[in-house]
Amino acid sequence: GAVVSQHPSWVICKSGTSVKIECRSLDFQATTMFWYRQFPKQSLMLMATSNEGSKATYEQGVEKDKFLINHASLTLSTLTVTSAHPEDSSFYICSAPPPGQGKNEQFFGPGTRLTVL
Amino acid sequence: GENVEQHPSTLSVQEGDSAVIKCTYSDSASNYFPWYKQELGKGPQLIIDIRSNVGEKKDQRIAVTLNKTAKHFSLHITETQPEDSAVYFCAASIGTGTASKLTFGTGTRLQVTL
Repeated sequence: GAVVSQHPSWVICKSGTSVKIECRSLDFQATTMFWYRQFPKQSLMLMATSNEGSKATYEQGVEKDKFLINHASLTLSTLTVTSAHPEDSSFYICSAPPPGQGKNEQFFGPGTRLTVL
Repeated sequence: GENVEQHPSTLSVQEGDSAVIKCTYSDSASNYFPWYKQELGKGPQLIIDIRSNVGEKKDQRIAVTLNKTAKHFSLHITETQPEDSAVYFCAASIGTGTASKLTFGTGTRLQVTL
């Protein structure tokens, strides 16, 4: 199946700093990628849809100026958490659907655990 | 928007027994229903999926059934093994393109005891 990787797998940062998380599709190209956030013992909540070559689409209630998304190539999307605060501590997961019409499967990355001190 | 409910939130079964997890969705336009298994500290892994033009799908010990009229779908795991212990999420989406959003259920923590 399609492989999606994330880097880093975990990161600890001080309050007020910015953190960048990378999501890569390893064996396929993805014009669209999705970013989710998951708090402990909760479900995945979609944050935004990352679109290659255009602006990301954010879900209601997600601050676009705080969670910057850049989809610079067909295999890479980055999520930057700006001015991170302890409440931003969470598990961030990206996903990408394999190309092809009629396919709306999504393959998920291994996740990035962010801890903001 | 779409709303997906999932039950039960926790499920404990003995090894070898069957486990059933149920989900309901609200939007009748949803046409794709995947199930994901998530182990602690890892990303979700697709284990099986079903589309709205199919009523049942099976893959070895795992099966999914879909009732479009009632807008619910279920995951069935037979002959459970300790390695089946994880959190399972159902999801639903609308559309056939690659930009289809997934709406997740609240998750079921399955524990298979020896």
